[in-house]
Amino acid sequence: GAVVSQHPSWVICKSGTSVKIECRSLDFQATTMFWYRQFPKQSLMLMATSNEGSKATYEQGVEKDKFLINHASLTLSTLTVTSAHPEDSSFYICSANSQGRGNQPQHFGDGTRLSIL
Amino acid sequence: EDQVTQSPEALRLQEGESSSLNCSYTVSGLRGLFWYRQDPGKGPEFLFTLYSAGEEKEKERLKATLTKKESFLHITAPKPEDSATYLCAVQARQAGTALIFGKGTTLSVSS
Repeated sequence: GAVVSQHPSWVICKSGTSVKIECRSLDFQATTMFWYRQFPKQSLMLMATSNEGSKATYEQGVEKDKFLINHASLTLSTLTVTSAHPEDSSFYICSANSQGRGNQPQHFGDGTRLSIL
Repeated sequence: EDQVTQSPEALRLQEGESSSLNCSYTVSGLRGLFWYRQDPGKGPEFLFTLYSAGEEKEKERLKATLTKKESFLHITAPKPEDSATYLCAVQARQAGTALIFGKGTTLSVSS
């Protein structure tokens, strides 16, 4: 079945550091990938939609200069948290539609736990 | 505003004690309703997609149903390994492919 791989799974770093998270579709091409954020005991909140070869679409309230998204190929999207601060600590999860089609279920990576000291 | 509400927030069952989880939704034109299972520290694992009222899907001890306002995830004779958080999400026609998630129901099954 469709597999989405996310790396790293856990990051601990100092305040002010920039952190890059990778999301790969392993057995299919994904023109669109999604980045979510999840706080403890809360729902997944969509941050942005990553489009291959074009600019990402950000949800209201998400700073595009803070959360840089690059989708340079059909199998890789990256999220960079720039100058991270403790309030950016969260669980970040990416997803992609299987077979790259919008009406197919989204499959998720295993998430990245980001802790900013 | 498109919205998803799940209940109960938490559910404790004895092994073999069947029950149901509820997902109520309001959406401007439903494209699809999705059920996921999420284990601690992991990403959501896809379970079911339902597209129209009256549709049902089954997988092992789980059965998902859909009406025009809500979906149920029925768990028959649960086992401890069914313990997880179950997430419901909807996809609205006008929102493209973005999913709107509920907060989830955390299920604990004890032996």
